[in-house]
Amino acid sequence: KQEVTQIPAALSVPEGENLVLNCSFTDSAIYNLQWFRQDPGKGLTSLLLIQSSQREQTSGRLNASLDKSSGRSTLYIAASQPGDSATYLCAVRPQTGANNLFFGTGTRLTVIP
Amino acid sequence: KAGVTQTPRYLIKTRGQQVTLSCSPISGHRSVSWYQQTPGQGLQFLFEYFSETQRNKGNFPGRFSGRQFSNSRSEMNVSTLELGDSALYLCASSLGALQAQYFGPGTRLTVL
Repeated sequence: KQEVTQIPAALSVPEGENLVLNCSFTDSAIYNLQWFRQDPGKGLTSLLLIQSSQREQTSGRLNASLDKSSGRSTLYIAASQPGDSATYLCAVRPQTGANNLFFGTGTRLTVIP
Repeated sequence: KAGVTQTPRYLIKTRGQQVTLSCSPISGHRSVSWYQQTPGQGLQFLFEYFSETQRNKGNFPGRFSGRQFSNSRSEMNVSTLELGDSALYLCASSLGALQAQYFGPGTRLTVL
C-alpha cells in the first residue's frame, strides 16, 4: 500500500525566507503528484500538479520538483509571506490512473511577520 | 467558473442516525471523488464517481455509500452513524481521471 510522508510536520520561519517542504512516497509507480494547501477548517487549494514524466513545475513563488525513482518531491517557496501560513499536503495518484489520491500527513507552515 | 460547492457546511447528528451530503462539481467536470479527513487518520479516499458510475472505492464499511446524477452532482450517504464518523468530508472534482483534482470547502460532520 502506498504510504506518503511529509517532513517536517511543522515549520516556523521569519517572513522573507526561502523554504523547502519535503514529501516522500514508498511506491514509485505513480501517475502524478499534486501539492495542496489547506487553511484551518477549510478545503484544499490545488497548488501544483506534476506528471510522472516531469521533473519540475513552477507557479509564481512556488516550485515543485519530482524524483519518481527515489520517491521524493519537494515544494520550494521563495520569499515567504505571512499569507503563506497554512498546512501543505502532497498527494500521489497511482499509476493505474485511478482517481484516488494518497495523501501525506502534511506540513504546518507558520510565517512570522 | 464557480468552484466545487458542498452542502451543508456543518451537520450535527446523533449515533444511529443517517446523513446525506451533497457536492456540486465545477461545471464540465465529470469525475467526483469523496474523502474523509480526521486528525488521526488524515485524508482518506472514500469513493469516486464518473458518469454516474462508481469507479473506485476506498477501504470503508458499507455504511458509506454514494451516487452521482446525470448533471454530475454527487451525494454521499452514511447510515447508522458512529462517533468515529465525525470528520470533515471533502469532495473533489476533475475533468477526468488523470487531471488535477479541485476540492470543495467540505462538510463538517459531528456525531454525538
